[in-house]
Amino acid sequence: HLQLQESGPGLVKPSETLSLTCTVSGDSITDSRRSYYGWIRQAPGKGLDWIANIHYSGRTYFNPSLKSRVAISIDTSKKQFSVRLSSVTAEDTAIYYCLYSSAWYYFDYWGQGTLATVSS
Amino acid sequence: SSELTQDPAVSVALGQTVRITCQGDSLRPYSASWYQQKPGQAPLLVIYDGNNRPSGIPDRFSGSDSGNTASLTISGPQAEDEADYYCSSRDTSGSHLVFGGGTKLTVL
Repeated sequence: HLQLQESGPGLVKPSETLSLTCTVSGDSITDSRRSYYGWIRQAPGKGLDWIANIHYSGRTYFNPSLKSRVAISIDTSKKQFSVRLSSVTAEDTAIYYCLYSSAWYYFDYWGQGTLATVSS
Repeated sequence: SSELTQDPAVSVALGQTVRITCQGDSLRPYSASWYQQKPGQAPLLVIYDGNNRPSGIPDRFSGSDSGNTASLTISGPQAEDEADYYCSSRDTSGSHLVFGGGTKLTVL
């Protein structure tokens, strides 16, 4: 049974970098059938906002509106993948979900989400 | 890039059939996927690639595409189907993902 667990600071100061990590358990992170990893966020009371995806080979896909501030990476040895969002503002306050799927454009496994608040 | 438009809210009587729609230019070349989100929970994929149901999703959920409109149909919705529903697809470039604004489904 595949499980995803996000981790990271709950509070980040404006202009700093938000770093989140997702740990995968219960499945092989290099299983080619489930080889796309990604991040989506949801501001309080708002809709879903795609951030980025990465294939286990390293190919990446980014939301063009966030691309200049986002880095995504994967560490198969640790069964983890991560996202970094730089120069954060209050508008980046959201629940951040990590994802795992067999295609980059839909997501069949989600983490429970972690709230990241940007505030001084 | 492109946008996906959903009705903000839809209601349906228990046991009736409801269709939730999603419109956008990117839906002509690309199929939609649909997510159900209940309060305080992560979204759940209910339809992918237009009309495919993941394992464990009841067969009362179905999807279809026509022109620039994708639809999620729930045949005989149950009380537990009351939730927010989001559509998504690749944008017109095929390289980015976009979401609709979501539809709040109320089961009366």
